[in-house]
Amino acid sequence: QKEVEQDPGPLSVPEGAIVSLNCTYSNSAFQYFMWYRQYSRKGPELLMYTYSSGNKEDGRFTAQVDKSSKYISLFIRDSQPSDSATYLCAMSAPTGNQFYFGTGTSLTVIP
Amino acid sequence: DAGVTQSPTHLIKTRGQQVTLRCSPISGHKSVSWYQQVLGQGPQFIFQYYEKEERGRGNFPDRFSARQFPNYSSELNVNALLLGDSALYLCASSLDLGAANEKLFFGSGTQLSVL
Repeated sequence: QKEVEQDPGPLSVPEGAIVSLNCTYSNSAFQYFMWYRQYSRKGPELLMYTYSSGNKEDGRFTAQVDKSSKYISLFIRDSQPSDSATYLCAMSAPTGNQFYFGTGTSLTVIP
Repeated sequence: DAGVTQSPTHLIKTRGQQVTLRCSPISGHKSVSWYQQVLGQGPQFIFQYYEKEERGRGNFPDRFSARQFPNYSSELNVNALLLGDSALYLCASSLDLGAANEKLFFGSGTQLSVL
């Protein structure tokens, strides 16, 4: 079983739609959760960073963490064509020195 | 301020050759990590360095090695290249010792193709 599971998509939505991206994980030691956006053949760009359970909002983006279910989500409101990219979830444990990434979900927002 | 810079951006090698990839972290960042991203997959951890010392190693063969210099820049070396080494190699820097709550900032990567 992989440490982090993420639906690879692809996901295609019309402009203005609400997008929901999800990851599940198996290691209960994970405490830090991140979402990265990656454009084709570029490095990942940090979007959201959350510690432990709860919600965090930044503009059109909301990150949710449910540690009891080992489930994290990223919501994008009023999606724009510029949001078209691959979204990677990542997480780490307090005692660890590496981040564990999902496989990424490819998102296309159609104008 | 410059972000994480990596060179070269693209590289083509043949099987059995050796390659060196370079990374300069964000100014003030002391920790550098290397990740391998195969097409269609998420990044996989290779190494973490802090203050010139290796602080973590992922599940990669000994053909992979790295080092960090006094100015915190880093090199990743891969010997005896295999076709399966073809990937995007990402360097990430963080402010301090790569504690789990450190945020990783990535460079644009080096795209390595092994023929």
